Amino acid sequence: GAVVSQHPSWVICKSGTSVKIECRSLDFQATTMFWYRQFPKQSLMLMATSNEGSKATYEQGVEKDKFLINHASLTLSTLTVTSAHPEDSSFYICSAPRSGTGVNTEAFFGQGTRLTVV
Amino acid sequence: GQQLNQSPQSMFIQEGEDVSMNCTSSSIFNTWLWYKQDPGEGPVLLIALYKAGELTSNGRLTAQFGITRKDSFLNISASIPSDVGIYFCAGQAYIYGNKLVFGAGTILRVKS
Repeated sequence: GAVVSQHPSWVICKSGTSVKIECRSLDFQATTMFWYRQFPKQSLMLMATSNEGSKATYEQGVEKDKFLINHASLTLSTLTVTSAHPEDSSFYICSAPRSGTGVNTEAFFGQGTRLTVV
Repeated sequence: GQQLNQSPQSMFIQEGEDVSMNCTSSSIFNTWLWYKQDPGEGPVLLIALYKAGELTSNGRLTAQFGITRKDSFLNISASIPSDVGIYFCAGQAYIYGNKLVFGAGTILRVKS
């Protein structure tokens, strides 16, 4: 079964409103989670790294005031798309690495959220 | 940003055939991961590889971590219609921190 749960799976919002997407690790703690954006038929583009208890780190070109990330607990990270515009419409996916021994990890992904801004 | 070289970009094969795809990089990776993504879903982890030379199977899937640590391949034996989807390789390397670097994906289509 899923080890990372993302909610909602799809959302339609009006331009100018904000949308919150949740990412939960279900049976393990994740001090780090990742947020990606994916355009049709393309690979995943890393937007930011969510760090529990500290500020998120954003990839170059990603507006931190536009995409607010909060990692309030060891099992929950949220991404809020503020003042959404049609160009923000996309498929957003989170992932959480589950640590094994040493530095090796398995990264599990949420189901994704299809955001449509109208 | 950095991306792995994944090939082929797409494949259209007959049901029952074996499939092979690979990823290469100019950088050394410590972990290789293979994912499958169905339309409208998040990627699902298929196989994780942690050691150079490691060969791991998961049902009809077999993946190997290249000896040079710069490449990996995924084989699917006796393909079936539900194998349709996009397959991504991903690598982790110390120089990229804990972030995954992805290939562009291989789109697999199966003729029944």
